[in-house]
Amino acid sequence: AQSVTQLGSHVSVSEGALVLLRCNYSSSVPPYLFWYVQYPNQGLQLLLKYTSAATLVKGINGFEAEFKKSETSFHLTKPSAHMSDAAEYFCAVRITGNQFYFGTGTSLTVIP
Amino acid sequence: DSGVTQTPKHLITATGQRVTLRCSPRSGDLSVYWYQQSLDQGLQFLIQYYNGEERAKGNILERFSAQQFPDLHSELNLSSLELGDSALYFCASSVGDGTIPEQFFGPGTRLTVL
Repeated sequence: AQSVTQLGSHVSVSEGALVLLRCNYSSSVPPYLFWYVQYPNQGLQLLLKYTSAATLVKGINGFEAEFKKSETSFHLTKPSAHMSDAAEYFCAVRITGNQFYFGTGTSLTVIP
Repeated sequence: DSGVTQTPKHLITATGQRVTLRCSPRSGDLSVYWYQQSLDQGLQFLIQYYNGEERAKGNILERFSAQQFPDLHSELNLSSLELGDSALYFCASSVGDGTIPEQFFGPGTRLTVL
């Protein structure tokens, strides 16, 4: 079965510190992988996507993610956290067909 | 702004009632997806339409139904509402039927069932 696991439902970092949000997927075929961000009372916004091209994917707002097939991971990172990064982050996978499977989300808190 | 619009923003109703949520996709997008986001279940895919036809079905209850109209807007109908149906309902759209993968999400409709 296809699934996405986000480790850590809550992550807190200090402003200026490294952000690392973890995502592992299970798939028997090469997946498409996505990170979305959701700010309070808003919809989901696409941060970045992996579609089998470069394994290191750069997204908006300074975020990037690396696809590691051997580890079945697609962790999201940002070198230096900003207060405006505080939000809920969702990892999603699309394997075949049209269904997206979303992780349960990670709430990022940035401490001044 | 993703270009996907949803109405209404908020909806409060009673158990047993029926409601309709509306979604207009981005200009040029042919696919519409519906999701339910609740605290206990997370973000769950409900159903997808492509150019007026149902294309994929997820965890959609029999009390729920959807359709996509010729102008490509979509409606999600929820009937015999229960307290547990209280959630955020998101619509997303994409250009194709899923071959171009990313989806663009609307701001959501918050449904409260009392």
